[in-house]
Amino acid sequence: DAGVIQSPRHEVTEMGQEVTLRCKPISGHNSLFWYRQTMMRGLELLIYFNNNVPIDDSGMPEDRFSAKMPNASFSTLKIQPSEPRDSAVYFCASKIQRNTEAFFGQGTRLTVV
Amino acid sequence: GENVEQHPSTLSVQEGDSAVIKCTYSDSASNYFPWYKQELGKRPQLIIDIRSNVGEKKDQRIAVTLNKTAKHFSLHITETQPEDSAVYFCAAITGANSKLTFGKGITLSVRP
Repeated sequence: DAGVIQSPRHEVTEMGQEVTLRCKPISGHNSLFWYRQTMMRGLELLIYFNNNVPIDDSGMPEDRFSAKMPNASFSTLKIQPSEPRDSAVYFCASKIQRNTEAFFGQGTRLTVV
Repeated sequence: GENVEQHPSTLSVQEGDSAVIKCTYSDSASNYFPWYKQELGKRPQLIIDIRSNVGEKKDQRIAVTLNKTAKHFSLHITETQPEDSAVYFCAAITGANSKLTFGKGITLSVRP
């Protein structure tokens, strides 16, 4: 397995534009997490899914953020409209539910100018 | 919800010395505690984990201890090497839905 795959690796966009980040979890994993990493806040949990169902989205900062998981092999995180303060590295991670290791993708570095 | 805290935010040690990183958690229902290492520009990767029915676990130069009563767990690195320099995150998994919450991370610097 190629591991958790995120795209794009880097994204530079102008304020106000829509941004879509993509994640393909490891096959067979049924939990998927979206995290945002900044120097100030560390790894913030934005939202997570179990069996494609959103369980907890309390970490999503604003209505500008939305996430979907239409099937077991794909998830998106969308920011519309984007703002400079959204600049961060966004990680997707997947695991088998329960107490097991979570595997991270390589992350998407988002810069909003 | 669960709140995982790490202190301090930075730690500097001399090569060969030991390093101890401490974390606390708030939810007594948390039952799995992984530690991740993140090198500069890379993704976090698991280095060791401990379940709530175990008090201590060791893997070569690293060990983790868990005190469920006090709700804290610690990472111990012995004989530190420059390649141990990285950001270390503690985390906790809570509940049947397996919510994975991370601390803010600690930057460990090992001076040659």
